[in-house]
Amino acid sequence: GQNIDQPTEMTATEGAIVQINCTYQTSGFNGLFWYQQHAGEAPTFLSYNVLDGLEEKGRFSSFLSRSKGYSYLLLKELQMKDSASYLCAAMDSNYQLIWGAGTKLIIKP
Amino acid sequence: IAGITQAPTSQILAAGRRMTLRCTQDMRHNAMYWYRQDLGLGLRLIHYSNTAGTTGKGEVPDGYSVSRANTDDFPLTLASAVPSQTSVYFCASSDSSGGNTDTQYFGPGTRLTVL
Repeated sequence: GQNIDQPTEMTATEGAIVQINCTYQTSGFNGLFWYQQHAGEAPTFLSYNVLDGLEEKGRFSSFLSRSKGYSYLLLKELQMKDSASYLCAAMDSNYQLIWGAGTKLIIKP
Repeated sequence: IAGITQAPTSQILAAGRRMTLRCTQDMRHNAMYWYRQDLGLGLRLIHYSNTAGTTGKGEVPDGYSVSRANTDDFPLTLASAVPSQTSVYFCASSDSSGGNTDTQYFGPGTRLTVL
């Protein structure tokens, strides 16, 4: 079957760095997406990886290892506004997104 | 530019009633999607449409129907609502015609409660 695993909840301190991990198993693979979702709001796109390696975009970076079925989202210089859920989604061979349940990130001052 | 709009924002519905959730996008995206989001679960695809005039079933299509008469609108209908359909419903769109990895953009969601 198809499956995405990510931690349910993480806590970090303002100004620090946090890494949110995601492992996936899909029928075929056409890339890995990360979305941010604030409570009561819609998911918003953060990053897309299809090749192995690190993609950096400001304070946020995303890494992919296709051979390990593994990705992580790295958030630097954490701000209170980064408190949100982070959704990992893998695209399968039918170009459908398979979603993880999300990681709720709590930022403490 | 509004992007994607959904209506209503929230709704309380009696079991057995018919309900249509509306979704409209103004980005001229080819593909549109309906998801439901439940606590502790990932987003689950209900139905999708790769282009106007075509629709397909997702992971959890039972009890739901969709139509895609034009590019902009993609309504989701619950023919006879049941309590297990209590959820937050998100509409999304992407600039693809299937077989593409384009980013999906989401509407603000409809919170539906079936009693």
